Amino acid sequence: AQTVTQSQPEMSVQEAETVTLSCTYDTSESDYYLFWYKQPPSRQMILVIRQEAYKQQNATENRFSVNFQKAAKSFSLKISDSQLGDAAMYFCAYRSPYLSNTGNQFYFGTGTSLTVIP
Amino acid sequence: EPEVTQTPSHQVTQMGQEVILRCVPISNHLYFYWYRQILGQKVEFLVSFYNNEISEKSEIFDDQFSVERPDGSNFTLKIRSTKLEDSAMYFCASTRGGGTEAFFGQGTRLTVV
Repeated sequence: AQTVTQSQPEMSVQEAETVTLSCTYDTSESDYYLFWYKQPPSRQMILVIRQEAYKQQNATENRFSVNFQKAAKSFSLKISDSQLGDAAMYFCAYRSPYLSNTGNQFYFGTGTSLTVIP
Repeated sequence: EPEVTQTPSHQVTQMGQEVILRCVPISNHLYFYWYRQILGQKVEFLVSFYNNEISEKSEIFDDQFSVERPDGSNFTLKIRSTKLEDSAMYFCASTRGGGTEAFFGQGTRLTVV
């Protein structure tokens, strides 16, 4: 099974500042997909950003960007100009491709709780 | 925007009772999942469903659990003989294809008393 590790259980950031959340994963596959999900107090899981392993270019979505280091198996999330609404639990997730013999489930890390300080 | 819908949002049941959690995935999606999250803890995989059958299941998904897609739109999780430790948030998710992101429902909070 793949493993996803988030080593920061909690992080905090001043409003309007930048914060980086860390994620590492372990896999023997060369092709896979990585995701960051946000879980606000409402508990619904919301996709933040997605990265395909075969793409060298880091994904960006407005204030959210990733630093994908395939050789290091690292996938960090950078949140710029942090807003109060960014306060949530953030989960990193890994998914094998369709034809993988390890299945197609999503493997989640343990999450990082982000606090935004006004 | 299409969304995954789960009902009920909160269910309280007595230990030993059976519960059915319901989900309506996004209509053109092909893969369906159930995950659970015990309060404040990690998101745990239960089962995935593709082409009208279970494609993967975790060690948690034992004989106490079953899934069905009875009518082509609903996707249900049945938990028989519930235990206190089954109390958790249960999430349904669906994806369009093998490499796409999962869309999650808002979850069903199950409380076993």
